[in-house]
Amino acid sequence: AQKVTQAQTEISVVEKEDVTLDCVYETRDTTYYLFWYKQPPSGELVFLIRRNSFDEQNEISGRYSWNFQKSTSSFNFTITASQVVDSAVYFCALTAHAGNNRKLIWGLGTSLAVNP
Amino acid sequence: DAGVIQSPRHEVTEMGQEVTLRCKPISGHNSLFWYRQTMMRGLELLIYFNNNVPIDDSGMPEDRFSAKMPNASFSTLKIQPSEPRDSAVYFCASTPGGGRRDSPLHFGNGTRLTVT
Repeated sequence: AQKVTQAQTEISVVEKEDVTLDCVYETRDTTYYLFWYKQPPSGELVFLIRRNSFDEQNEISGRYSWNFQKSTSSFNFTITASQVVDSAVYFCALTAHAGNNRKLIWGLGTSLAVNP
Repeated sequence: DAGVIQSPRHEVTEMGQEVTLRCKPISGHNSLFWYRQTMMRGLELLIYFNNNVPIDDSGMPEDRFSAKMPNASFSTLKIQPSEPRDSAVYFCASTPGGGRRDSPLHFGNGTRLTVT
């Protein structure tokens, strides 16, 4: 079965704190892709990052970093020195494999509130 | 470049009425997805098209829902008759790559549907 679990439903931090959003996935595929999307209060879903199963290098983009560990089936997302503009719902997703059928398995999201 | 364009942004209708949601994908993207987002169920894939052909409509809730993609630049999602439980935010997304699993989705701003 394919599954994505974001155990943290809501997180609240004070500006400038570091925060890590957890994502644990399940899949039997040896080749798969993981994604993070951001949904700010305005409602649109914005793609943040993609990682394939063969690339376990951590990635850093400004204040954002991602830690992919196949051994624990996790793809965690850290925001360093959080800002109010980081307040959003963050979704982790996994591409399922079913022939040529392309589907994303979504987590339920983590709502992050960054307070001034 | 223009992103995915959805209309209307908001729709309020009475139970039993027909509702039509519209989507213009990003030019050159050959895969299009319709999603529904609710608090209870999160993001659900309703249907997706590849090169204007429906590939997977297993997420369409029931016969009241139908989707078409008459050409590469336009798609509709129709609900007839609408019911209060259809109230949700409906997203359209597109991606290049013919449904490749590593292609990130580009989402529209969504249509917030309220059925009273």
